[in-house]
Amino acid sequence: KNEVEQSPQNLTAQEGEFITINCSYSVGISALHWLQQHPGGGIVSLFMLSSGKKKHGRLIATINIQEKHSSLHITASHPRDSAVYICAVRGNAGGTSYGKLTFGQGTILTVHP
Amino acid sequence: DGGITQSPKYLFRKEGQNVTLSCEQNLNHDAMYWYRQDPGQGLRLIYYSQIVNDFQKGDIAEGYSVSREKKESFPLTVTSAQKNPTAFYLCASSIGLLRTSGNNEQFFGPGTRLTVL
Repeated sequence: KNEVEQSPQNLTAQEGEFITINCSYSVGISALHWLQQHPGGGIVSLFMLSSGKKKHGRLIATINIQEKHSSLHITASHPRDSAVYICAVRGNAGGTSYGKLTFGQGTILTVHP
Repeated sequence: DGGITQSPKYLFRKEGQNVTLSCEQNLNHDAMYWYRQDPGQGLRLIYYSQIVNDFQKGDIAEGYSVSREKKESFPLTVTSAQKNPTAFYLCASSIGLLRTSGNNEQFFGPGTRLTVL
């Protein structure tokens, strides 16, 4: 079992729909990142969070540390939101201060007009 | 503009040849990283460098080599020993090495898609 699991792997939506992408992890973490990968391959960071909830525009990210689960929500989805969304956790393993990132396999989102 | 550049975007090589992927950043970041991305899998760490003249193996370093002679540059060589070199390679950097505590983030380059024929 992967340390970071995302669901669904593929998601198709109609413009305007509310979208949720889930991320579950099985290791102790110090932070969780949500990333967006454009069709050309470039990756940008959307959120970094260690507790609670963050909002940026139509994007909302939440994390529940006790349940080891995070969600990324997109409100009023638009075709330009079509991309791969990647969850990554920053480890907090003892013995090193290096917070290595472990990545989920990504969720491919397609929003149709 | 500050950022990370990787060149070329697409690279084709014959089996058995070594190939070097370029990564340059002008963000004045100390730490740099190389990741490999395969379809249906998460990014995997190949090598990382905390500072000039220092680098460490990641999770899948076999068949790869790196150098860090300059702060701005972290080239990755895919050697003939790498059994499945065809993949998408991403370079990243951060102000300092990502720590278990701290708020710094990684910035990613546009990637290089390597195809070995």
